[in-house]
Amino acid sequence: QVQLVQSGAEVKKPGASVKVSCKASGYTFTRYYMHWVRQAPGQGLEWMGIINPNSGSTSYAQKFQGRVTMTRDTSTSTVYMELSSLRSEDTAVYYCGRTYSNYDQLDYWGQGTLVTVSS
Amino acid sequence: EIVMTQSPATLSVSLGERATLSCRASQSLSNNYLAWYQQKPGQAPRLLIYYASTRATGTPARFSGSGSGTEFTLAISSLQSEDFAVYYCHQYTTWPYTFGQGTKLEIK
Repeated sequence: QVQLVQSGAEVKKPGASVKVSCKASGYTFTRYYMHWVRQAPGQGLEWMGIINPNSGSTSYAQKFQGRVTMTRDTSTSTVYMELSSLRSEDTAVYYCGRTYSNYDQLDYWGQGTLVTVSS
Repeated sequence: EIVMTQSPATLSVSLGERATLSCRASQSLSNNYLAWYQQKPGQAPRLLIYYASTRATGTPARFSGSGSGTEFTLAISSLQSEDFAVYYCHQYTTWPYTFGQGTKLEIK
């Protein structure tokens, strides 16, 4: 069965960086795109960007340009999302989610990773 | 960026009754690239409906999606206790993907 398993919760200080992983299983990793979506406490969903695990190409939401980097490791079927220059407003649950094409519904999601930014 | 607006923000409905949730896009969604997700506290969103009206695998038949262009609706007939959650609409016509702010469905 399809599973997206994310790394554990993180606590970071303002100005630091965080790297969250998302390990895929149960399907051919390179055939599906992966997205990152975040959710601040009590708030809605916010799309951060997409990575093509086959080519490694990425596209980021303008809001995160220059601060976010998405990468993948095909040998372990894992995608990574690194967010730098953290501020308190980045405190959120970060989710990975897959789509079959680059314009598609998110059919499977990871369990989420809470990132807390606090001094 | 396409702005998605959901209404109402909170909907109170009794068990066994019907609920109707609305979602409006700021511009027409080509190919009806509109999905609905259900989210329960502490859980990731779960895909319910895609292409505006196609039920995802495992979505009960009491859930139905409709609409086109800029106006979309999620209907839940005969509400069950497990249906009380927050529902989000999502457009995937263009990047950036955008989501509505959510409708919280609560027991009346």
